[in-house]
Amino acid sequence: AQSVTQLGSHVSVSEGALVLLRCNYSSSVPPYLFWYVQYPNQGLQLLLKYTSAATLVKGINGFEAEFKKSETSFHLTKPSAHMSDAAEYFCAVSEGSGGSNYKLTFGKGTLLTVNP
Amino acid sequence: KAGVTQTPRYLIKTRGQQVTLSCSPISGHRSVSWYQQTPGQGLQFLFEYFSETQRNKGNFPGRFSGRQFSNSRSEMNVSTLELGDSALYLCASSLEASQFFGPGTRLTVL
Repeated sequence: AQSVTQLGSHVSVSEGALVLLRCNYSSSVPPYLFWYVQYPNQGLQLLLKYTSAATLVKGINGFEAEFKKSETSFHLTKPSAHMSDAAEYFCAVSEGSGGSNYKLTFGKGTLLTVNP
Repeated sequence: KAGVTQTPRYLIKTRGQQVTLSCSPISGHRSVSWYQQTPGQGLQFLFEYFSETQRNKGNFPGRFSGRQFSNSRSEMNVSTLELGDSALYLCASSLEASQFFGPGTRLTVL
């Protein structure tokens, strides 16, 4: 079984500050890992994904995440927050290549607030 | 390319009724997955279809069912609706390891 834990249901930063959203996972097989963003009344947009290639993954809108196997973590960062980054962010895991890589297990989400 | 489309966007039903939701995947994508999103339970996997066959199923009662057509479009059906079925239902189409989500159908059960 797989699981995802997102530390902090609500993170608040100032515009221009570093964004750090934490995600830890549990998986019995090599995982694929994903970050999605959801704006109000919308679906999920894929920010970035890790699929066993480079451990530092760059995504859209200036976000990046680093896969750390020893820490079972996949934290999302952005050097400088913008007002438009305010949204809910979800970390997700799947079983990776050869497994049920079309079944995503999601964390509970982190609501990011950006203050002017 | 057009994104994933879901119809209808909003739906209001009463307890005991049934409902059918539709999803059209991105052109060329053959896998379609369905998820339920609620404030209490978060995002939960319902099922996944590939080439008209259900490949994966989540932990939902048999009232929740789905199907996929030869053009990869998918429908999900919920019978005997309960108040707890009120949720945002999201469809995603997949290419390789990436899932792309539609805007969802907001179902309200009264």
